[in-house]
Amino acid sequence: SQQGEEDPQALSIQEGENATMNCSYKTSINNLQWYRQNSGRGLVHLILIRSNEREKHSGRLRVTLDTSKKSSSLLITASRAADTASYFCATYGSSNTGKLIFGQGTTLQVKP
Amino acid sequence: GAVVSQHPSRVICKSGTSVKIECRSLDFQATTMFWYRQFPKQSLMLMATSNEGSKATYEQGVEKDKFLINHASLTLSTLTVTSAHPEDSSFYICSARDNAVYSSYNSPLHFGNGTRLTVT
Repeated sequence: SQQGEEDPQALSIQEGENATMNCSYKTSINNLQWYRQNSGRGLVHLILIRSNEREKHSGRLRVTLDTSKKSSSLLITASRAADTASYFCATYGSSNTGKLIFGQGTTLQVKP
Repeated sequence: GAVVSQHPSRVICKSGTSVKIECRSLDFQATTMFWYRQFPKQSLMLMATSNEGSKATYEQGVEKDKFLINHASLTLSTLTVTSAHPEDSSFYICSARDNAVYSSYNSPLHFGNGTRLTVT
């Protein structure tokens, strides 16, 4: 079964606005990762946050992690049309199987 | 950066035929690669873990005789969909773990661009 659930499933905003996506997971983790997928393409790693971190920034991306609630959020500030894509959170399960399991994803549309 | 090449990007085949998909790590070595399947507007479902020099590990519900995986070198894993049927039509994505990354066990994966398989 999927490790994570994400909401919203779909998000449509205007260019320049901020986009926030949320992810929840089920088991304890070593880290949580966010990936981006352009339509019909592979995934690109965006950012990794370790279980002992609460917040991390990378350019226009801000990720938070709340291990007590088993949740994470991805904020994209000042969105651009080029940010239109699907975004997935992913975790390695606590059993150390080495398998990266993905959440359901959020499809983001940024209108110019 | 680490590049994973997946080939072909698109393939159309007739029902009953077999299709081979290649996944290559171009500038790093990967003892472990992963094969995912993705249906339209859905997430990635892990199919199997490919290990160089040993048998692949399949997820529950994935038929190993249907989806043959070979990982004969540190830079190449192949997925063969045997006797393909229309229900096998899907987007298949491979990913690889870089051996050189410290603590690569929990590191980000590098993904190919996927293969769109259509079985008619």
